Amino acid sequence: DVKVTQSSRYLVKRTGEKVFLECVQDMDHENMFWYRQDPGLGLRLIYFSYDVKMKEKGDIPEGYSVSREKKERFSLILESASTNQTSMYLCASSLGGGFAKNIQYFGAGTRLSVL
Amino acid sequence: AQSVTQLDSHVSVSEGTPVLLRCNYSSSYSPSLFWYVQHPNKGLQLLLKYTSAATLVKGINGFEAEFKKSETSFHLTKPSAHMSDAAEYFCVVVGGGFKTIFGAGTRLFVKA
Repeated sequence: DVKVTQSSRYLVKRTGEKVFLECVQDMDHENMFWYRQDPGLGLRLIYFSYDVKMKEKGDIPEGYSVSREKKERFSLILESASTNQTSMYLCASSLGGGFAKNIQYFGAGTRLSVL
Repeated sequence: AQSVTQLDSHVSVSEGTPVLLRCNYSSSYSPSLFWYVQHPNKGLQLLLKYTSAATLVKGINGFEAEFKKSETSFHLTKPSAHMSDAAEYFCVVVGGGFKTIFGAGTRLFVKA
């Protein structure tokens, strides 16, 4: 069975802290994604990666960075957390290749509060 | 350019009655279209997808959606709602490259 695991369900951090959100998939997928989900806005793509050490900016990359050192792991980093980064963060993965393969499998999410 | 609009932020139905969740899209490419469902405190799960094969797509849990190019719509339907269908539903369009656009979501309430 497909599995995407996010290391924390809930996280509380202080303004200015460096925050790491971890995501691991066990499906040998090439693509991995980080989204944030806010009420009324749906999901917005922060970054994605189509291969180890490769990354591309999504729609809202400001204030975030990512790391993909191994195929199964994709980390989202908040360099200096701010209150406007309080949100639900969702990780997803998918097979590589064309559009038809872009079924994304999601983790359960990390709800981050920045105080 | 691509966009997706879910026409209702909330839909409320009685158990046993039909469900209609509306989605309109625009895409410069021949799009792939998806519906995902998110139950409370869970990640998103794929309901169904359209990728230029049959225009009527059947998904899990009795849901289906019809791709109508002339109307640029991909509405989600189910003949008879069940209490367990209460969740948030997202319409998604995938066009060029990795560009994936999520709608704002429709929250479905099912009354007993």
